[in-house]
Amino acid sequence: KQEVTQIPAALSVPEGENLVLNCSFTDSAIYNLQWFRQDPGKGLTSLLLIQSSQREQTSGRLNASLDKSSGRSTLYIAASQPGDSATYLCAVRSLSRSYNNNDMRFGAGTRLTVKP
Amino acid sequence: DTEVTQTPKHLVMGMTNKKSLKCEQHMGHRAMYWYKQKAKKPPELMFVYSYEKLSINESVPSRFSPECPNSSLLNLHLHALQPEDSALYLCASSRIVYRATIAPGLNQYNEQFFGPGTRLTVL
Repeated sequence: KQEVTQIPAALSVPEGENLVLNCSFTDSAIYNLQWFRQDPGKGLTSLLLIQSSQREQTSGRLNASLDKSSGRSTLYIAASQPGDSATYLCAVRSLSRSYNNNDMRFGAGTRLTVKP
Repeated sequence: DTEVTQTPKHLVMGMTNKKSLKCEQHMGHRAMYWYKQKAKKPPELMFVYSYEKLSINESVPSRFSPECPNSSLLNLHLHALQPEDSALYLCASSRIVYRATIAPGLNQYNEQFFGPGTRLTVL
């Protein structure tokens, strides 16, 4: 069974700093990996999706990388801003092994605070 | 339109009430999901509908009853809930990608889009 871990659980940085959030998974047979942002009490906003054949995806100040063989993904945030403060979740979609399988597992998230 | 909408935003109900949560998407996605999320925890999958048919029920108590009346709508009917059912209920949708070259009929689900959630409080 896929296990997804995110380290650190919480992170506080001053504004302007570049930072890296980590996500690790135990089963490398994945279909894709998705990074989400969640503000308190709100839904999840999809940030980046990396298919298993890709090594990285970029969107603005965000860059996500994927290393399937080592079971790791990182989310790099450049020039952090107070508006980036939120919880960041990674979710791993495993390859289907049975009909209508939805083996998508979430990590517990990293709570990011960017101080002005 | 890349939006998943959910109503109501907030719901307070007693343990004897019957209420429904609604979810709608117009992205043409044929997979729709209900998740439950407790404070400071990741979302937990409850149900998956594929082509308007219930394909996954993650051992959810019968006091939660899902319904998918058409490809754009997903409901969650609530009855005789307990205070511990208080949580944020999230709806999501995704495209279904066939992998016919590997195993005909085997579904693979693509990127999920989430709604804003319904904050449910059971008194």
